Amino acid sequence: DAKTTQPTSMDCAEGRAANLPCNHSTISGNEYVYWYRQIHSQGPQYIIHGLKNNETNEMASLIITEDRKSSTLILPHATLRDTAVYYCIVRPPNTGNQFYFGTGTSLTVIP
Amino acid sequence: GAGVSQTPSNKVTEKGKYVELRCDPISGHTALYWYRQSLGQGPEFLIYFQGTGAADDSGLPNDRFFAVRPEGSVSTLKIQRTERGDSAVYLCASSLGGPRGDEQFFGPGTRLTVL
Repeated sequence: DAKTTQPTSMDCAEGRAANLPCNHSTISGNEYVYWYRQIHSQGPQYIIHGLKNNETNEMASLIITEDRKSSTLILPHATLRDTAVYYCIVRPPNTGNQFYFGTGTSLTVIP
Repeated sequence: GAGVSQTPSNKVTEKGKYVELRCDPISGHTALYWYRQSLGQGPEFLIYFQGTGAADDSGLPNDRFFAVRPEGSVSTLKIQRTERGDSAVYLCASSLGGPRGDEQFFGPGTRLTVL
């Protein structure tokens, strides 16, 4: 079962920052937060992951609250190509390496 | 380098037929995963291989579904007596493996349509 809650859909103006929230209030101490995205008709693509510290890479930044019950994925300058479904995933312990995807947030970047 | 590839990209079959879906993971990746994605839903885990063995097959919906990875590289997902409800995109992913669940690289998927 997915342990995260995300808004169903969001819009963002091109060139602006896209902030995608995720609630994971039941996260355990050893669970990581992963973000993937899926562009239409493609397989999911890894974006970023973190445990408790904020993380940044060439694609995005991940901000995790101090109590780890929520996080925000930030795309600093959204482009039309960032239109996709964004999945926030908490990997449960003792279940191997599979990811439990929910329904994600459908982000539409508007010109 | 080459990513994960899946063949065929599309498969149309009739109810009751047998189908095989193939996944070629990234070279050197020891972990391989199969997921199924229905329209409007996120990917649903089916099975996970570490090397040649199925480490977790708890996501397979019933005994009509079976997957193999005989040499620890290419994997085949096999579906017997297909049903219309099996229609979905079947995704394969691979990773370097490890206890933390490394980044999974996904293929483009095979779209299966059962008529």
